[in-house]
Amino acid sequence: QLQLQESGPGLVKPSETLSLTCTVSGGSISISSYYWGWVRQPPGKGLEWIGSIHYGGSTSYNPSLKSRVTISVDTSRNQFSLKLSSVTAADTAVYYCARQLKYYDILTGSYIPYYFDSWGQGTVVTVSS
Amino acid sequence: QSALTQPASVSGSPGQSITIFCTGTSSDVGSSNLVSWYQQLPGKVPKLMIYEGNKRPSGVSNRFSGSKSGNTASLTISGLQAEDEADYYCYSYGGSSTSWVFGGGTKLTVL
Repeated sequence: QLQLQESGPGLVKPSETLSLTCTVSGGSISISSYYWGWVRQPPGKGLEWIGSIHYGGSTSYNPSLKSRVTISVDTSRNQFSLKLSSVTAADTAVYYCARQLKYYDILTGSYIPYYFDSWGQGTVVTVSS
Repeated sequence: QSALTQPASVSGSPGQSITIFCTGTSSDVGSSNLVSWYQQLPGKVPKLMIYEGNKRPSGVSNRFSGSKSGNTASLTISGLQAEDEADYYCYSYGGSSTSWVFGGGTKLTVL
């Protein structure tokens, strides 16, 4: 059974970089049919897609966060990671990693991440000095 | 990138049916059938309920159904049960410029 587990510091100082890792177990991250994504949820608020990566390295980011986000993959460790720079209190949230189905977009002729079918339990990250 | 518009709350009595609407634009909801719906029980992880507009993953009750008309997608829950009380989010592709966007979420209360 596929399991995803987020890990990383629970407290980050303003202006610093938030770094999280998602470890995938019970399945390989190197399966072509999937993307691997990050979603966050500020306290008492809704879900926000951050970005996604395919094991081959193709990435897709939320335009509103793109300038601050880097998502990478380490197939040897079956992990993918999130880095969010220059954080502020507005970045305080529960951060989830999740698996996404890959979908072929006819209009652009490219593959894109689609729905989330498996999620990690989430990790709370607080931005505070 | 604006979130898709959902009502903040809906309610219904056990056994009734309710519909949650997710309104977007011709660039996102209206442009494809790539709408999915997620259920988030209190304090829990989101769970996929509907994908490609009207398909249910294995294990999801057939009381849940999805549809779309123009720029609005909808999730209908029939035969409401107390265990359906949760937050529900729609999620849609916004095209290559906006990528993916969630709705603001709808809190379902079973009276």
